[in-house]
Order: sequence, then C-alpha cells, then structure tokens
Amino acid sequence: EAGVTQFPSHSVIEKGQTVTLRCDPISGHDNLYWYRRVMGKEIKFLLHFVKESKQDESGMPNNRFLAERTGGTYSTLKVQPAELEDSGVYFCASSQALGQEKETQYFGPGTRLLVL
Amino acid sequence: LAKTTQPISMDSYEGQEVNITCSHNNIATNDYITWYQQFPSQGPRFIIQGYKTKVTNEVASLFIPADRKSSTLSLPRVSLSDTAVYYCLVGPGGATNKLIFGTGTLLAVQP
Repeated sequence: EAGVTQFPSHSVIEKGQTVTLRCDPISGHDNLYWYRRVMGKEIKFLLHFVKESKQDESGMPNNRFLAERTGGTYSTLKVQPAELEDSGVYFCASSQALGQEKETQYFGPGTRLLVL
Repeated sequence: LAKTTQPISMDSYEGQEVNITCSHNNIATNDYITWYQQFPSQGPRFIIQGYKTKVTNEVASLFIPADRKSSTLSLPRVSLSDTAVYYCLVGPGGATNKLIFGTGTLLAVQP
C-alpha cells in the first residue's frame, strides 16, 4: 500500500511568488491534514479536511494560504504571495474515517519550502 | 488540549533499553496518549498509543500510571537506527483530531 506522498520535495522561490504544494493521501482515507514546521519551531497544525470539506482550519496563519481538496482525494496548499516567514517544512497526513477511538495519522515526507 | 513536557534529549548505547517519560498533568478524561517518531527528512511516524495501564506492540511499550499524568515510552534493545526525535502527544479522539506537537526528545544511540 502506497503511503502519503507530497510534491515537490523541495521548493525555492522568491518573496512575492506563488507556490502550490500537493498531497496525495493514502487511498480511502477521508481525513487529510496539513501541518508545518518553521525554522526552530514545533510542528504546527494548519487544517483538517474530511473528504472535500474543511473540518478545522484554525491553524491557517493568514489569507495568503489557500487549501483545497476537490473531489475528496488529493489536496493542494497554495501560498500567494509567499513571504520569508513561510519558509519551513510542510507536512501532510491522512487517516481513516472519524469515529474511531483515536485514529492513526500517516505522514508524508514533507515539502521543504525556502522563500528568498 | 493537554500540554506535554519531555526531556529535550537523551543518550543511549546500542542494546540498551531506553525509557522516555512524558508529563501531561492536565490530561483530560477523553484524552489519549500517542507517541510518534521522526527521522531526519521524514514525516512523523506513529509508534504506539494508549489510554491507561500498559500497551505493547512489536516496536515499543507504553506505560501509563493510574492517574494518567505521565507516560513512559519504552524501547527495548535500541539500535543505531532508533536515533530519532520522539514526540509525546495528548489529545481526544473523535471530532478534534489535530495533533499538538511539542519539542520532542532527541534520542541519540551510540555504538
């Protein structure tokens, strides 16, 4: 079974440009999460999709970040325009349907974003 | 969501048993305790989860005392490949599923 995949693995862009990160969850997983770790900080939750719906987007830092999950399969996270403080590692995770006692989240390898 | 406290780093040697303790004094009744492992350049990976008493799987054991204010991750006979950051997370199941990561414990296993 394929794990969570993320693309690209690395991205270097200039301030003001746009970057789109993609996450392909494990097949059949309704839950999809985005997290990020900025330099020297802890991994922080960004948002949670259940299928194509945003269940919780309380961690999104500002309106420069837009996450979508059309069709309830893969998800994209767009940063527009990118700022220096957006640099960090963006992780995606997926899990099976809600209702279980505490579902396991499976993480992708992350996308390393550097904004110059 | 309960805050966790764990040592920043630990050292060990190959073949030893390693115990990493996590404090979570304000754990709620519906909170579970979960441990993740993270290698450099990879995403976190689930190790083990428990609610109370002891849980064991093929990778580790998790000991949770009756008051649930702390937990101990036990790794038997560590090897060099167990060098990683270990995160203790506490949170409820159900609708609130976001994971709250702390600083984690960097375990360094030496030959």
